[in-house]
Amino acid sequence: GENVEQHPSTLSVQEGDSAVIKCTYSDSASNYFPWYKQELGKGPQLIIDIRSNVGEKKDQRIAVTLNKTAKHFSLHITETQPEDSAVYFCAAATYNQGGKLIFGQGTELSVKP
Amino acid sequence: EAGVVQSPRYKIIEKKQPVAFWCNPISGHNTLYWYLQNLGQGPELLIRYENEEAVDDSQLPKDRFSAERLKGVDSTLKIQPAELGDSAVYLCASSVSGGPQETQYFGPGTRLLVL
Repeated sequence: GENVEQHPSTLSVQEGDSAVIKCTYSDSASNYFPWYKQELGKGPQLIIDIRSNVGEKKDQRIAVTLNKTAKHFSLHITETQPEDSAVYFCAAATYNQGGKLIFGQGTELSVKP
Repeated sequence: EAGVVQSPRYKIIEKKQPVAFWCNPISGHNTLYWYLQNLGQGPELLIRYENEEAVDDSQLPKDRFSAERLKGVDSTLKIQPAELGDSAVYLCASSVSGGPQETQYFGPGTRLLVL
């Protein structure tokens, strides 16, 4: 089955710097890749997603890139702010497994003012 | 628009006791998911419902866990009897349908501690 690896597990940046989180997946049939942000004591919240027919997607300070050949995708956050501090999860879904999301292990991002 | 509602938010029980969690999905969402999230890990799917039907329960430990979604809206997840290793966050999510590219919206979760 699908396996998603996420790196790094922790990331500390200064306010205003960029942050990059990388994920790799194993199942070449995966075609949907969402990113979730989870704050302490809350459920995961979708921040951006990308589908396999697109190589890059941007939403204000957040962007995601997808390389299907290499089977990896990345989250880029520019001009980080203290409120970006949270745990970020990548996930992958495969068409033949319906809506089953396989999550990475998470990255704890800390943005220092 | 109201999000996914879960209750209780926190639950502390002694091992071997039963416990139940309740989820109300976003209105109009036909697909409902229960996920287990251990500390420091990503969520793992336990069961997925399409309306009233459980279409994927392969990861549900059926010896002690059960779930139902009788009218295709609310759902309950039950553990009986609870074990120490069941301490985790139980997340409910919903989506309009169960397609592989459907956005899943998560509730706040129920934090279970088994003593």
